[in-house]
Amino acid sequence: GAVVSQHPSRVICKSGTSVKIECRSLDFQATTMFWYRQFPKKSLMLMATSNEGSKATYEQGVEKDKFLINHASLTLSTLTVTSAHPEDSSFYICSARDPASGNTDTQYFGPGTRLTVL
Amino acid sequence: AQSVSQHNHHVILSEAASLELGCNYSYGGTVNLFWYVQYPGQHLQLLLKYFSGDPLVKGIKGFEAEFIKSKFSFNLRKPSVQWSDTAEYFCAVNKGGKLIFGQGTTLQVKP
Repeated sequence: GAVVSQHPSRVICKSGTSVKIECRSLDFQATTMFWYRQFPKKSLMLMATSNEGSKATYEQGVEKDKFLINHASLTLSTLTVTSAHPEDSSFYICSARDPASGNTDTQYFGPGTRLTVL
Repeated sequence: AQSVSQHNHHVILSEAASLELGCNYSYGGTVNLFWYVQYPGQHLQLLLKYFSGDPLVKGIKGFEAEFIKSKFSFNLRKPSVQWSDTAEYFCAVNKGGKLIFGQGTTLQVKP
């Protein structure tokens, strides 16, 4: 299947700093990527849809100025958590829509990034 | 509110036992349905998916799921589980291009 990578796998930062997380589709081009947040023992919550060459679409309740998304190429989307606070500590997961999946609209997931804000 | 529900939050089985994990959704119209698995420390992997045709879908590692439209259900089954099936299982519905996940079910298989 299609492979999606994320970098870094874990990051620890001080409160008030910004952190950038990268999501790459390694063997396919993804015009659409997604960013999720997963709390411990909880399901994945969709944060935003990242579209190559255009602005991201954020879900209700997600602050777009807090979570900046850039999808500058067909294989890379970045999520920047600005002015991070301890409550932003979480597991962030990206996925990419596989264009070869046709009408089944299948997404492949990255391994996730564990963010800890001190 | 429209949602995806997984009724079993934590399931404990012995090896060789049969497994059925429930998944119900409340979206009308055409839906694509998925089961993902997350092994400890690993990323989500696609187990199987349904989008049309035969409502009984076979996936990887001996898993299968049955789409019952009248019941809005897409239950996951495996006739004989192994210790290596210990993981978190997520049902998801693709509606309008977005994946909506259920709460997840933790499966613990005792050797």
